[in-house]
Amino acid sequence: EVQLVESGGGLVQPGRSLRLSCAASGFTFHDYAMHWVRQAPGKGLEWVSGISWNSNNIVYADSVKGRFTISRDNAKNSLFLQMNSLRGEDTAFYYCAKDGGNSPYFDFWGQGTLVTVSS
Amino acid sequence: QSALTQPRSVSGSPGQSVTISCTGTSSDVGGYNYVSWYQQHPGKAPKLMIFDVTKRPSGVPDRFSGSKSGNTASLTISGLQAEDEADYYCCSYAGSYTFGVFGGGTKLTVL
Repeated sequence: EVQLVESGGGLVQPGRSLRLSCAASGFTFHDYAMHWVRQAPGKGLEWVSGISWNSNNIVYADSVKGRFTISRDNAKNSLFLQMNSLRGEDTAFYYCAKDGGNSPYFDFWGQGTLVTVSS
Repeated sequence: QSALTQPRSVSGSPGQSVTISCTGTSSDVGGYNYVSWYQQHPGKAPKLMIFDVTKRPSGVPDRFSGSKSGNTASLTISGLQAEDEADYYCCSYAGSYTFGVFGGGTKLTVL
């Protein structure tokens, strides 16, 4: 059974940093690209960033480019999101999502971790 | 990249069919056969319902079907059931530098 468990969310002041983690199990982690998708409370989904299986290809949404950094540790079956210079509009649930593999979609999602940016 | 356009809400009675549209551009929906649909119940994580426009993951009932014409994709749910009441989001691949663009979401109410 595929499991994705996010951690690291919390309350942070504007301009500060936070690092999210996602622990993966139930599949061969190093075979798949992984993504972060966020959802502001009461709002829709927004793809944030994706990373290929070998970390050679990394992409970001324009809204986070230059502030967020995605990374992975295949030896530890873990995905990360380093978030710097946080803004109020970054307040959201952050979901870790597994890539479908052969084509671009998200076939499994974690339960999400809430990041609140407020003074 | 602008979000895809979905109706804010749709409704139907048990047993009926409903269709949710998702309109994009030739740079996303119209340019690739990579539209996916996600179901989200309140307080829960999204769940994949359709991928590659028309394909269903194992475990998703065949009451759920997807299609696409030009720049508009659609999700049809037939034989509506109470548990289908949820928010539905479409998503399209939009090129290697903008992996996925989502629609704004549609709230399905089962009357």
